[in-house]
Amino acid sequence: GAVVSQHPSWVICKSGTSVKIECRSLDFQATTMFWYRQFPKQSLMLMATSNEGSKATYEQGVEKDKFLINHASLTLSTLTVTSAHPEDSSFYICSARDRTRGYGYTFGSGTRLTVV
Amino acid sequence: AQTVTQSQPEMSVQEAETVTLSCTYDTSENNYYLFWYKQPPSRQMILVIRQEAYKQQNATENRFSVNFQKAAKSFSLKISDSQLGDTAMYFCAFCTSGTYKYIFGTGTRLKVLA
Repeated sequence: GAVVSQHPSWVICKSGTSVKIECRSLDFQATTMFWYRQFPKQSLMLMATSNEGSKATYEQGVEKDKFLINHASLTLSTLTVTSAHPEDSSFYICSARDRTRGYGYTFGSGTRLTVV
Repeated sequence: AQTVTQSQPEMSVQEAETVTLSCTYDTSENNYYLFWYKQPPSRQMILVIRQEAYKQQNATENRFSVNFQKAAKSFSLKISDSQLGDTAMYFCAFCTSGTYKYIFGTGTRLKVLA
């Protein structure tokens, strides 16, 4: 089945530094990648949508300069949290759409970010 | 605006019993898709079942089945012969044809008791 590899699974960083999270589709082409944020015991909040080779589309209230998304190839998308602060600590999940498979997207395993 | 509502924050069921999780949604669209995702303690999101709105027949996947009532905008998940491994957070999700974006409900935490 379709697999999305997300790395790192957890990261601790100092306030003010940047962190990059990668999502790779291993056996399919991810024409669209979605990035979510999930707070403890809450639902997934869509942050942005990226299509391969295009600029990401951010949801209302999400700072595009803080959360940089790159989707340069059909198998790789990255989310960079720039100048991270403790309030950016959260669980970040990507999901990938394979246009040959319809609307059941594959999710990465998530990244737990802790900013100290 | 499109919304997804899961009115049961937590539920429990005895092993081998059947449980039904509720989900309602609101949309003015006619073409859309509905999903149930499972998020176990590992936090990996796993697709359980999906339903295309244009299909009248309810989707089934082994022990999992849905009751899709389009007119009532209801999409409940029935888990039969519950197993300990079914313990997880369950999210109902909605996606309109063409937007590709999921809208998630707030989730139902299901605990299967031995």
